[in-house]
Amino acid sequence: DAGVTQSPTHLIKTRGQQVTLRCSPKSGHDTVSWYQQALGQGPQFIFQYYEEEERQRGNFPDRFSGHQFPNYSSELNVNALLLGDSALYLCASSFDRGAYEQYFGPGTRLTVT
Amino acid sequence: AQTVTQSQPEMSVQEAETVTLSCTYDTSENNYYLFWYKQPPSRQMILVIRQEAYKQQNATENRFSVNFQKAAKSFSLKISDSQLGDTAMYFCAFMWGSQGNLIFGKGTKLSVKP
Repeated sequence: DAGVTQSPTHLIKTRGQQVTLRCSPKSGHDTVSWYQQALGQGPQFIFQYYEEEERQRGNFPDRFSGHQFPNYSSELNVNALLLGDSALYLCASSFDRGAYEQYFGPGTRLTVT
Repeated sequence: AQTVTQSQPEMSVQEAETVTLSCTYDTSENNYYLFWYKQPPSRQMILVIRQEAYKQQNATENRFSVNFQKAAKSFSLKISDSQLGDTAMYFCAFMWGSQGNLIFGKGTKLSVKP
């Protein structure tokens, strides 16, 4: 049973560029949440997708957007990258009508120079 | 707004001994869930233990147990018989409702020494 997978593992971008991160949920899960974890901090909630729509959103600007596909996989897009966007981006999946635990992927380390 | 506070940035324990990590939270909600996650240097966030607020009985998972004090809004994690593999960052997290987002504390870095 495959767990949550994320790609790429590492990414280096320049200020002003755009980036897309990808996540495949754990088998049987239909809900995907994205978190940003700055160095030395706890993860911060970005948004959650269910049934291909954004269901909840944290305190992040519109430069952060996402998408969920019919197979439940998800993308996180960040436009006009800032140095402060450098962080570990974590994807977590869960099952909407089942247990409420969120299972995390290994994360994508984004460095903005 | 809900907040989660972990007051111990770093802790260390000798192998085979017991250690307790502290967590307090603030909420006016009644239906919520509490979690402890472990993040080793490999950075994969792993669920250690969960507690439903409506349950009075403290959760236990093998060597891991919690002390849930609802009135005091306290949720501590006890690790018994500490092992070298327990070395990691430990995050306390709060979720309102069954499909909400997780709110994390800043973490406690635990080092288990041989």
